[in-house]
Amino acid sequence: GESVGLHLPTLSVQEGDNSIINCAYSNSASDYFIWYKQESGKGPQFIIDIRSNMDKRQGQRVTVLLNKTVKHLSLQIAATQPGDSAVYFCAETRSVTGGSYIPTFGRGTSLIVHP
Amino acid sequence: NAGVTQTPKFQVLKTGQSMTLQCAQDMNHEYMSWYRQDPGMGLRLIHYSVGAGITDQGEVPNGYNVSRSTTEDFPLRLLSAAPSQTSVYFCASRRTSGRKDEQFFGPGTRLTVL
Repeated sequence: GESVGLHLPTLSVQEGDNSIINCAYSNSASDYFIWYKQESGKGPQFIIDIRSNMDKRQGQRVTVLLNKTVKHLSLQIAATQPGDSAVYFCAETRSVTGGSYIPTFGRGTSLIVHP
Repeated sequence: NAGVTQTPKFQVLKTGQSMTLQCAQDMNHEYMSWYRQDPGMGLRLIHYSVGAGITDQGEVPNGYNVSRSTTEDFPLRLLSAAPSQTSVYFCASRRTSGRKDEQFFGPGTRLTVL
């Protein structure tokens, strides 16, 4: 079946380093992707999104890259800070009957930032 | 705005008991949904609603019922709890069912079924 997944379940970095979190998707019909951050004991929080007609999108300290050829998505966090420690999920959205778009989440990657 | 609120934060049930997880949002969002999150797994969609009076099944609907009598509230009912329903439950809402609207999540309810 088609699925969304993550390459690395845990990523440890030093404060100040750049972090790269990867995500593979297999549904070639997916046309919209979202990255979420989930801190311990809290619900997921939207970080950044990208549509399939784009290769790159930048936010504040975060960049999402999309490679449709290999169905790969990445989240880059510049100058990683201890507050960035969290679980990061990628999600693809699919259209269902009636025109609704529902996200399907990957497993998540735990980012640990060491001071 | 309080955003998306969920009650209770924690709950322990015995097998066979029933309960309702409450979810409310004060942002006048049309779209609301329930997810469950299990260790090492992503969020899985249980049920969703695109507006008051309209609900539909997600990926893992068995054992759960929902209703949407008002725009603000979207309760999730477990009619006969099973240990397999031990999980963390998240409610979410967004302005419409369109993909570009940001989805907001509640803080979650941690449910243990013994």
